[in-house]
Amino acid sequence: EPEVTQTPSHQVTQMGQEVILRCVPISNHLYFYWYRQILGQKVEFLVSFYNNEISEKSEIFDDQFSVERPDGSNFTLKIRSTKLEDSAMYFCASSGSSGATGELFFGEGSRLTVL
Amino acid sequence: AQSVAQPEDQVNVAEGNPLTVKCTYSVSGNPYLFWYVQYPNRGLQFLLKYITGDNLVKGSYGFEAEFNKSQTSFHLKKPSALVSDSALYFCAVRDGNSGYSTLTFGKGTMLLVSP
Repeated sequence: EPEVTQTPSHQVTQMGQEVILRCVPISNHLYFYWYRQILGQKVEFLVSFYNNEISEKSEIFDDQFSVERPDGSNFTLKIRSTKLEDSAMYFCASSGSSGATGELFFGEGSRLTVL
Repeated sequence: AQSVAQPEDQVNVAEGNPLTVKCTYSVSGNPYLFWYVQYPNRGLQFLLKYITGDNLVKGSYGFEAEFNKSQTSFHLKKPSALVSDSALYFCAVRDGNSGYSTLTFGKGTMLLVSP
C-alpha cells in the first residue's frame, strides 16, 4: 500500500538554527500539507500546497516557515530560525485528485526538539 | 470559520461493550466530516468519512459514524470494543462549499478499552 514517508524521524536542534523536514507524498497525489502536534495534543494546520504554490496557510505559518517541492517528489518544510515553541511532531500529508472530498494520508511524523 | 468539538478528553469502556466517541462541528457550508485514529508515536490513520448520502457511514476496523445534521454531530461508534482499539481519536471537518478548504481537527479523545 502506498504511503507518505517522512525524514528525519527525530531531529534535535539548537534555538536559532535552520531545520528542514522532508516528506515524500504518495506518488499520484496532488495536494500536500503540513500539520503539527504538540505533546500528543491537538493537530494544527500549518500549510497546504497545490499546483506548486501555497493554497492556504494558518497564522502559525509565519515568515520563519517555508515549503518547497524542489524535484516533483519531495515536499519540504523549512523553519528558518527555530524557537523553543517550535518543538512538536510535524506531520506531512497528501491527498489525491478528489479535492475536498478526499481524505488525507499522513506520514509517521518528524519529531522536532528545539533546545 | 470551521471548528470541531470533542467534549470528552477520555472515554473508558470495557472490552466487548459498545463505544461512542462524540464529535460536534461548526461550518458555514456543507460539512465534510472525517475520523482519524492515532496510535502511540504513529501518524494519523483514516477511519471513515461522510460526504453525502446515507447518514450512517461504515469504516475501517468495524467503526461507524452517524451524521446528524440537526444536532451538528458526527459521533464515532463501534458495537463491540477491543483492547486494541485503545488509541487517540480525532474528528475533523472541512467546508464542502468553499471549493477547497483546510481540514480542521478536534483536540482528540483518548479511548481506553479495558480487558
